[in-house]
Amino acid sequence: QVQLVESGGGVVQPGTSLRLSCVASGFSFSSYAIHWVRQAPGKGPEWVAGISPDTTKKYYGDSVRGRFTISRDNSANVVHLQMNTLRADDTAVYYCAKDGPRIEVVPAAPGDWGRGTRVTVSS
Amino acid sequence: IVLTQSPHTLSVSPGQPAAISCKSSQSLLHRDKKTYLYWYLQRPGQPPQLLIYEASNRISGVPDRFSGSGSGTDFTLRISRVEAEDVGIYYCMQSVQVPPITFGQGTRLEIK
Repeated sequence: QVQLVESGGGVVQPGTSLRLSCVASGFSFSSYAIHWVRQAPGKGPEWVAGISPDTTKKYYGDSVRGRFTISRDNSANVVHLQMNTLRADDTAVYYCAKDGPRIEVVPAAPGDWGRGTRVTVSS
Repeated sequence: IVLTQSPHTLSVSPGQPAAISCKSSQSLLHRDKKTYLYWYLQRPGQPPQLLIYEASNRISGVPDRFSGSGSGTDFTLRISRVEAEDVGIYYCMQSVQVPPITFGQGTRLEIK
């Protein structure tokens, strides 16, 4: 069955960097776009970034564009989110999600989600 | 694109129907003829679960008491007979123009 396991979260100071990873299994990884979605405490989900199956197209939300970078390694079934210049309002649980249910070149909808990794940005 | 859901909170007795509205600031019909509107349920302590894709298609394994309808800018999620396990927050989401993908503000479903 589809599994997505996020890691790399933690408590960091404003202005610093963090790299999140998501290891996927149970599906043809290189066929699906992947999303990162975050959820701040008590708030709704916020889409952060998406990457096409072949790694060539990357998409970002307005609040993270220029600070975050999404990447993937199809040989290792892993997606990364490099987060730079972190701010207090980046504090959230970060979820990795497989696009679904169709195979799309442009990320369309987070289908299967991981359990998330918590990022806290605080001085 | 802004998605506006109503009501904010819904309190329903078991076995009764429920309906949630999602209105978009722009049409969600893409030139490829697909409508990029999705519905999610987030149960307490869990990530969101995709229920409905492209406005009206139920995800495999989702009970058939859930249905989605609508077109253009107006959409509705209906639950024909609410059960206790349906409690949580329901979100609509659009991806007709990527980026960004945006979510509605959510509708909380409670059981009376």
